[in-house]
Amino acid sequence: GAVVSQHPSRVICKSGTSVKIECRSLDFQATTMFWYRQFPKKSLMLMATSNEGSKATYEQGVEKDKFLINHASLTLSTLTVTSAHPEDSSFYICSALGAETQYFGPGTRLLVL
Amino acid sequence: AQSVTQLDSQVPVFEEAPVELRCNYSSSVSVYLFWYVQYPNQGLQLLLKYLSGSTLVKGINGFEAEFNKSQTSFHLRKPSVHISDTAEYFCAAEAGGTSYGKLTFGQGTILTVHP
Repeated sequence: GAVVSQHPSRVICKSGTSVKIECRSLDFQATTMFWYRQFPKKSLMLMATSNEGSKATYEQGVEKDKFLINHASLTLSTLTVTSAHPEDSSFYICSALGAETQYFGPGTRLLVL
Repeated sequence: AQSVTQLDSQVPVFEEAPVELRCNYSSSVSVYLFWYVQYPNQGLQLLLKYLSGSTLVKGINGFEAEFNKSQTSFHLRKPSVHISDTAEYFCAAEAGGTSYGKLTFGQGTILTVHP
């Protein structure tokens, strides 16, 4: 089946720094990718929709200046957490929309100290 | 807007026993319903989905789910589980239309199969 990768799988950073997470569709092209966030013992929450060649659309309550999304090619979307703080620590999951279904990456665990 | 509730956070079961993971949804519009499975250190995998038609949906690995509109439920079942079914299971809903691909997830149910 289709594969979506994320890099890095886990990252630890200091408060105030920025962290970039990559999401790649390895064997198909995806004009649309999604970014989700998962809090401990809670469900995945959709953060934004990443559209190739255009601006991302953010869900209500998600700060677009804090979570910068770039979808520069049909196989790559990036999420940059700017000026990260401990409350940004979470599990970030991306997905890519294929022809008939959605394929998920394995997730990136971010810990901000 | 829609919401999804998974009624059990953890379900322990013995190998070869039947299992049911419960999911209820609420929505002001028609929804598509999904079950995903997540194994450790892997991405979510689609088990099955209900879009329309027959209310009994069969998926991979012997799982099936039944869409019940009157009870707004989409419970996942398997008649005989294996150790390898141990994983976290997520129920999700999508409104379709302009919300195509945007999933609302339940809280997840951890299924643990004991020998």
